[in-house]
Amino acid sequence: GENVEQHPSTLSVQEGDSAVIKCTYSDSASNYFPWYKQELGKRPQLIIDIRSNVGEKKDQRIAVTLNKTAKHFSLHITETQPEDSAVYFCAASLSGSARQLTFGSGTQLTVLP
Amino acid sequence: SAVISQKPSRDICQRGTSLTIQCQVDSQVTMMFWYRQQPGQSLTLIATANQGSEATYESGFVIDKFPISRPNLTFSTLTVSNLSPEDSSIYLCSVGQIYEQYFGPGTRLTVT
Repeated sequence: GENVEQHPSTLSVQEGDSAVIKCTYSDSASNYFPWYKQELGKRPQLIIDIRSNVGEKKDQRIAVTLNKTAKHFSLHITETQPEDSAVYFCAASLSGSARQLTFGSGTQLTVLP
Repeated sequence: SAVISQKPSRDICQRGTSLTIQCQVDSQVTMMFWYRQQPGQSLTLIATANQGSEATYESGFVIDKFPISRPNLTFSTLTVSNLSPEDSSIYLCSVGQIYEQYFGPGTRLTVT
């Protein structure tokens, strides 16, 4: 089955700096890659996703890049703010639709004021 | 996106008992899923709840321990049976749209 590895497990940045979280996946058939943000005590929230026919996608301060050849994808957050502090999870889907999501282990992002 | 609710939001149960968690969606959805999130850990898929047929379980999860019902396209239940302290986790339902998957608020289960 699919295996998703996520790095780093913890990340601290100064407010205003950029943060990058990286994930690798094992199954070349995976073609849907969402990112979730989970604040303490709350549900995971979908913040951005990318499909395999696209190399990069941006939404304001958040961007995701995908390298299908290398089987890795990354989340980029620019101009970080304290409210960006949370656990971020990457995931990969084998079928390309909303099923069988395999999650990475998570990254605790702390934005220092 | 769909509005997803879960009941109960939390519960404390004794070892050997069972807890049934309900998941309600405000619109019809094709796919519903149940996940477990152990303290400080990532999300692990338990099963896909199929409307009108048996759930599809992931490796390591069995129907006797985690029976699931899905009587219609807006509702599902997950029962965690014969509880042990190792079952203490957050249980989340999620619903699938075409690509995206959205989560309910979760049920925090503590087994004493």
